[in-house]
Amino acid sequence: DARVTQTPRHKVTEMGQEVTMRCQPILGHNTVFWYRQTMMQGLELLAYFRNRAPLDDSGMPKDRFSAEMPDATLATLKIQPSEPRDSAVYFCASGPWGGGPGTGELFFGEGSRLTVL
Amino acid sequence: DAKTTQPPSMDCAEGRAANLPCNHSTISGNEYVYWYRQIHSQGPQYIIHGLKNNETNEMASLIITEDRKSSTLILPHATLRDTAVYYCIVRVAGDSGYALNFGKGTSLLVTP
Repeated sequence: DARVTQTPRHKVTEMGQEVTMRCQPILGHNTVFWYRQTMMQGLELLAYFRNRAPLDDSGMPKDRFSAEMPDATLATLKIQPSEPRDSAVYFCASGPWGGGPGTGELFFGEGSRLTVL
Repeated sequence: DAKTTQPPSMDCAEGRAANLPCNHSTISGNEYVYWYRQIHSQGPQYIIHGLKNNETNEMASLIITEDRKSSTLILPHATLRDTAVYYCIVRVAGDSGYALNFGKGTSLLVTP
C-alpha cells in the first residue's frame, strides 16, 4: 500500500528548541501539503508545493516556520524557535494532480504530534 | 471558495444508512464538492467527490441537488468504524493549486 510517511510520530520538546518534521510523499505525487490541527482551530493549511516549488505558504508564520522540499521524496517543516502555541498535530498530504480539474484525492499521513513545553 | 454549512453532530444506528447533509448555496459552476473523513487520531481520508452528477464508490454515495446548492453523503450501512468527523469541502480546481480548506465538519457517532 502506497502511503504518506511522517516522522517523528510524536515529539516533546522545550520552548526555544528547533523542531524538524519530515514527510515522504507517495512516489509520483507532485503536490505536497502541510496542515496543522488543533482543537481550537481545526485543520489549517500551512503551505503547499507543486513539483517541489512552493505555491502558497501564506498560512505559515514566516518568522519561525519554514517548509522545503529538498527532493521529490522529502518534504520538511521546521520550527525555530518553537513555542508552546505550536503544540498541535502536523499533517503532511500528497496528491497526484497534473493540472486538470476534478482530481480530488489527497492522501494524508498519520501526523506528527508536537508538544512544546 | 464557497462556504459550506454542516450540522456539528449526528447519530446513526449501526447497520442503518447515515445521511450527512451539506449546504453550499454559493457554489460556483466550476467548483467540485469533496467529502473527507477523519477518524480519531488519524489523518483525514478521502471519501468521494463530484461536480454535478451523483457519484458512488465502494465507500459512499454522493447526491448533489440539481441546483448544486446542497449535497448529501450517504453511508449505506453504517458500522461502528464509520464514527468520525466528516468534512464537506467545495473547491475550484485551477493552476494555483488544489488546496482543500477544511471547516469544522460533522461529528458522526455510530451506535450499536
